[in-house]
Amino acid sequence: KNEVEQSPQNLTAQEGEFITINCSYSVGISALHWLQQHPGGGIVSLFMLSSGKKKHGRLIATINIQEKHSSLHITASHPRDSAVYICAVIYSGGSNYKLTFGKGTLLTVNP
Amino acid sequence: DAGITQSPRHKVTETGTPVTLRCHQTENHRYMYWYRQDPGHGLRLIHYSYGVKDTDKGEVSDGYSVSRSKTEDFLLTLESATSSQTSVYFCAISEFQGTNQPQHFGDGTRLSIL
Repeated sequence: KNEVEQSPQNLTAQEGEFITINCSYSVGISALHWLQQHPGGGIVSLFMLSSGKKKHGRLIATINIQEKHSSLHITASHPRDSAVYICAVIYSGGSNYKLTFGKGTLLTVNP
Repeated sequence: DAGITQSPRHKVTETGTPVTLRCHQTENHRYMYWYRQDPGHGLRLIHYSYGVKDTDKGEVSDGYSVSRSKTEDFLLTLESATSSQTSVYFCAISEFQGTNQPQHFGDGTRLSIL
């Protein structure tokens, strides 16, 4: 079964800390997405990656295709970064619409 | 923000009753999706649509049907709701299919079946 594993499940940090959330997957993929879900439920797409690294403000996403692993980094974390971060992949050879989601990482940033 | 409206936002109903959830978009996007989100699971695809009157099943489609008679509306129906269908339901849209295409999500519908 194609699975997407995220770690840690829960993460608590102090404001200003550097945060890393990890995502690993089992077989080859075409693309990987990072999403953010705030309390209250709205889901926002942060990044789409198929190789390398992307940066948007304080958020950085990297992917290592050979190791089947991606990381989401948050620099200078802030309480407003508190959310669930979700990794999702599109598997190679599958339908190019179909996202397979991880279970999410709950991040809490304390002031 | 993508113009996606889900209705209702919250619903409580009884086992055996029919339930219809509506997803309305103002973006004129071709592709629409219904997901459910449950504790201990990632988001799971129920059904999707690739155009008016064109729909297909996702991984957890049993007990659900969908309809899309207009580009802007995608309806999810539980013909006879069961307690296992208690969940948060999300609609998503995308303009194109493809590995570099984002999906934009609605705010979700919290459905409780008693």
